[in-house]
Amino acid sequence: GAGVSQSPSNKVTEKGKDVELRCDPISGHTALYWYRQSLGQGLEFLIYFQGNSAPDKSGLPSDRFSAERTGGSVSTLTIQRTQQEDSAVYLCASSLAPDRGGGNEQFFGPGTRLTVL
Amino acid sequence: AQKITQTQPGMFVQEKEAVTLDCTYDTSDPSYGLFWYKQPSSGEMIFLIYQGSYDQQNATEGRYSLNFQKARKSANLVISASQLGDSAMYFCAMREGIDGATNKLIFGTGTLLAVQP
Repeated sequence: GAGVSQSPSNKVTEKGKDVELRCDPISGHTALYWYRQSLGQGLEFLIYFQGNSAPDKSGLPSDRFSAERTGGSVSTLTIQRTQQEDSAVYLCASSLAPDRGGGNEQFFGPGTRLTVL
Repeated sequence: AQKITQTQPGMFVQEKEAVTLDCTYDTSDPSYGLFWYKQPSSGEMIFLIYQGSYDQQNATEGRYSLNFQKARKSANLVISASQLGDSAMYFCAMREGIDGATNKLIFGTGTLLAVQP
């Protein structure tokens, strides 16, 4: 079946502009995550959606970052007034609902490479 | 304090030999999960193996096995019979929480593995 898809694959923008990044999770996955990977670094958690529960926004670095998930499926990550330090690869992942026993591994999309000039 | 520590920035291994990638973690939560992901140069994150904190046996998946030493808080990845296609960045990650309420993954900084012919 289809994996996690993200668009655009690359985005170049000017400092101060707003950008929207899209994620389409695997069908049937109720959990959706956004991570950020700066050059040569590990992944940094941004936000997590699970069903109709309030999202875990604890990883968002500033109030310029926001995300929504419409209809429990597609998610959009919005960065307002972009800064050069926002340049990174933004990765989306989805999984089945978390539980106590299983790993419910997260399946990652190909990412969006954001460059802020 | 680092939650996930990968002390080997880079490793070399000869084709067909085994290699161990180190990972130590820090958590006070009795319920957690440990994951290993592979990230080739193409950028996608590929799930390799999972170990739950309550699992009695070390996880194995094909040529991958996880050397889980709970008392030492280590979860080293062992790749047997290395192949050229194993050359990639490898990330160790942890999920904390009894009920998986957040399910976010905390990643280490990664180990770059190069398999030599």
